[in-house]
Amino acid sequence: GDSVTQMEGPVTLSEEAFLTINCTYTATGYPSLFWYVQYPGEGLQLLLKATKADDKGSNKGFEATYRKETTSFHLEKGSVQVSDSAVYFCALLNSGGYQKVTFGTGTKLQVIP
Amino acid sequence: EAGVTQFPSHSVIEKGQTVTLRCDPISGHDNLYWYRRVMGKEIKFLLHFVKESKQDESGMPNNRFLAERTGGTYSTLKVQPAELEDSGVYFCASSSGTRSGNTIYFGEGSWLTVV
Repeated sequence: GDSVTQMEGPVTLSEEAFLTINCTYTATGYPSLFWYVQYPGEGLQLLLKATKADDKGSNKGFEATYRKETTSFHLEKGSVQVSDSAVYFCALLNSGGYQKVTFGTGTKLQVIP
Repeated sequence: EAGVTQFPSHSVIEKGQTVTLRCDPISGHDNLYWYRRVMGKEIKFLLHFVKESKQDESGMPNNRFLAERTGGTYSTLKVQPAELEDSGVYFCASSSGTRSGNTIYFGEGSWLTVV
């Protein structure tokens, strides 16, 4: 079945540091890929998405490129802020059948001043 | 436009009691999903409604969980009797269609603690 593997956290960075959170997936067909974010005390928010190979999703300074050859969708940001502290979930939605989002385990990011 | 709303936002109950979680999807969304995240693990699919019909309930953990969506509008998820391992965050989500390009919108979650 479909699965998503993302790097374990927690990840602690200083403000303005470069961020990479690795994500790889296993799926049949041509899934859409997502990054969701959960800020403390809040629900899941869609951060960015990519629906086909080589697409780049971007939002709020975050980027991720759909790499079919490496089955990866790594999240990057050039300069993190304290307000980026949250849990980040990589996810996929397969094109076959009915919609069922498969999530990774989540990576907690803590940014310190 | 209102997003997906869930109630209650937080609930603390004793083992053996019953809890009912409610989800109001975005207006006009036929697809409604329940997910949960237990003890810091991954977010797992529970079930999927299309209007009032259960399309896929393969993720429901056991018969202590009952989901309904009467009339195809809001949905309830009842846990009876609750066990300690049911503690976690229960997310509801909705979408307008089933094509892969559609976005699934999540609510803020119902945080359940069973003591």
